[in-house]
Amino acid sequence: AAGVIQSPRHLIKEKRETATLKCYPIPRHDTVYWYQQGPGQDPQFLISFYEKMQSDKGSIPDRFSAQQFSDYHSELNMSSLELGDSALYFCASSDRDSWTGELFFGEGSRLTVL
Amino acid sequence: DAKTTQPPSMDCAEGRAANLPCNHSTISGNEYVYWYRQIHSQGPQYIIHGLKNNETNEMASLIITEDRKSSTLILPHATLRDTAVYYCLSRGTGNQFYFGTGTSLTVIP
Repeated sequence: AAGVIQSPRHLIKEKRETATLKCYPIPRHDTVYWYQQGPGQDPQFLISFYEKMQSDKGSIPDRFSAQQFSDYHSELNMSSLELGDSALYFCASSDRDSWTGELFFGEGSRLTVL
Repeated sequence: DAKTTQPPSMDCAEGRAANLPCNHSTISGNEYVYWYRQIHSQGPQYIIHGLKNNETNEMASLIITEDRKSSTLILPHATLRDTAVYYCLSRGTGNQFYFGTGTSLTVIP
């Protein structure tokens, strides 16, 4: 079965650079969630989208922005990168209309800021 | 938004039941409790969720206290592959799912 696809899997950037992470949800899933997990930390909710509209906002820095496109894929844009942005970024998807209580997570994108 | 608290770590002998507690004393009456686990640095994996009644699936059982202030995830026969960080999640008012502090479960041979 198709899973949530995240790209790139690994990314290395310098401080003050910009990075873009992509998330392709499971087909027919209409909701996407982004999480950030720092080293040794628990996943922190950043933002979610439903039907291409921002649904909820968590602890997403102002330097970050995200959107969901017409094909339901989502992109997380991070600017003016800081060392503290080094983390695993997870995307998850779900289908609101047939909600089973399950978020389907991708394998994550590891961002390293040097 | 409801917060969850869990013990930071637990050990369990292989083949025995692992009982993982979660405190969610601020949960509201219509909020579900969700359990996920994360093996190493992989994406979190759904285990089970419940509202009031106890729930069971092929992976685990979930026991929720009558006052809904706490719950226990039960892995009936823990295997080495169950070694992971187990999270009890709460849901915010919309599409927000918050991870708790997690319990690092180590299954010992």
